[in-house]
Amino acid sequence: EADIYQTPRYLVIGTGKKITLECSQTMGHDKMYWYQQDPGMELHLIHYSYGVNSTEKGDLSSESTVSRIRTEHFPLTLESARPSHTSQYLCASSADRPQETQYFGPGTRLLVL
Amino acid sequence: GEDVEQSLFLSVREGDSSVINCTYTDSSSTYLYWYKQEPGAGLQLLTYIFSNMDMKQDQRLTVLLNKKDKHLSLRIADTQTGDSAIYFCAEWVDYKLSFGAGTTVTVRA
Repeated sequence: EADIYQTPRYLVIGTGKKITLECSQTMGHDKMYWYQQDPGMELHLIHYSYGVNSTEKGDLSSESTVSRIRTEHFPLTLESARPSHTSQYLCASSADRPQETQYFGPGTRLLVL
Repeated sequence: GEDVEQSLFLSVREGDSSVINCTYTDSSSTYLYWYKQEPGAGLQLLTYIFSNMDMKQDQRLTVLLNKKDKHLSLRIADTQTGDSAIYFCAEWVDYKLSFGAGTTVTVRA
């Protein structure tokens, strides 16, 4: 069982609001990831981090930002939410070697009205 | 992503075997994974296989890898109603995981 947590699980918010999606893991993993997944669709990597103070943009362009001040914490922030941001956001973490297996949190379902 | 392809749907009768297929394009993939996603939940790692292996078995799950054809399959023996979910194939390449679009498996009584 992976120890990776996301809050909130569900969020309904109005356009223009600033939101932060939280992700924490207690496994001491250096690598953490954020994926965006629309219903019934594949996952798209939007941000990743290989350690403290390291953040990179993923394959899918996103208006969100991330920070990695502590190993266990990788929050994602949207400065001004829009309806196009409605989606499910999945956080994951992985150890380095040998198999780079990623463990996923339960996800946050975001609905922007 | 576009480099990993899966059939979108599979319907199977309870007690039968399910076979989910996946093809990938990058021959430098080192690890290949199968994840399961139940409604409203995150992804749960089912199993993975290293690229120098042909087969891996774990209880009801059997993974077959054909490197020549870049084909990966997941066989679920004695499929149960609790196996109804979306199954994602993923390859590890260029220091990232690339996912397929997922196969929705429906188990009927």
